[in-house]
Amino acid sequence: AQRVTQPEKLLSVFKGAPVELKCNYSYSGSPELFWYVQYSRQRLQLLLRHISRESIKGFTADLNKGETSFHLKKPFAQEEDSAMYYCALGAGGFKTIFGAGTRLFVKA
Amino acid sequence: NAGVTQTPKFQVLKTGQSMTLQCAQDMNHNSMYWYRQDPGMGLRLIYYSASEGTTDKGEVPNGYNVSRLNKREFSLRLESAAPSQTSVYFCATGLTYEQYFGPGTRLTVT
Repeated sequence: AQRVTQPEKLLSVFKGAPVELKCNYSYSGSPELFWYVQYSRQRLQLLLRHISRESIKGFTADLNKGETSFHLKKPFAQEEDSAMYYCALGAGGFKTIFGAGTRLFVKA
Repeated sequence: NAGVTQTPKFQVLKTGQSMTLQCAQDMNHNSMYWYRQDPGMGLRLIYYSASEGTTDKGEVPNGYNVSRLNKREFSLRLESAAPSQTSVYFCATGLTYEQYFGPGTRLTVT
């Protein structure tokens, strides 16, 4: 079955602390994985894609096929990182499957 | 460049009423999507259109219909609204799996 699991509904960290948002997937083919972010009162937007191996706003994510994971990391969280984060899987046939989302709250 | 636009932004319906949510994109993408966003459930795909003239069911299509009017426009219709359809609805367009979202429509069915 194709599935994306984000085990934490809410993650709260202090400003300057490292942050890791977990994402696990289930997919039989070669996965394409993404992280999307939704800031308060803004539309959902693409944060990064695994295929680009890029760092956006200090965030990185590494695809680990052995553990079927695509965790999002940032070494030093900022208050402006507070948002809802969704992990997403390209599931074939133009379909994208989204996880349930993790709300990140960065405390001052 | 507006990207993806949706109307209306908010709507309250009574059970049994019908309505159409409108979506338009000016990004010249072939594929368009309708999702619903519910707390604790993330985004779930209702219907999608891989190209003009085609539509396909997603994960939760029951109670909805769609029309791909042309390359730019993709509408979602609720024929007989039910309280379970209270949600935030997002339209998106994209290239393969990278998607660009509209601002959403917050729908309440009483």
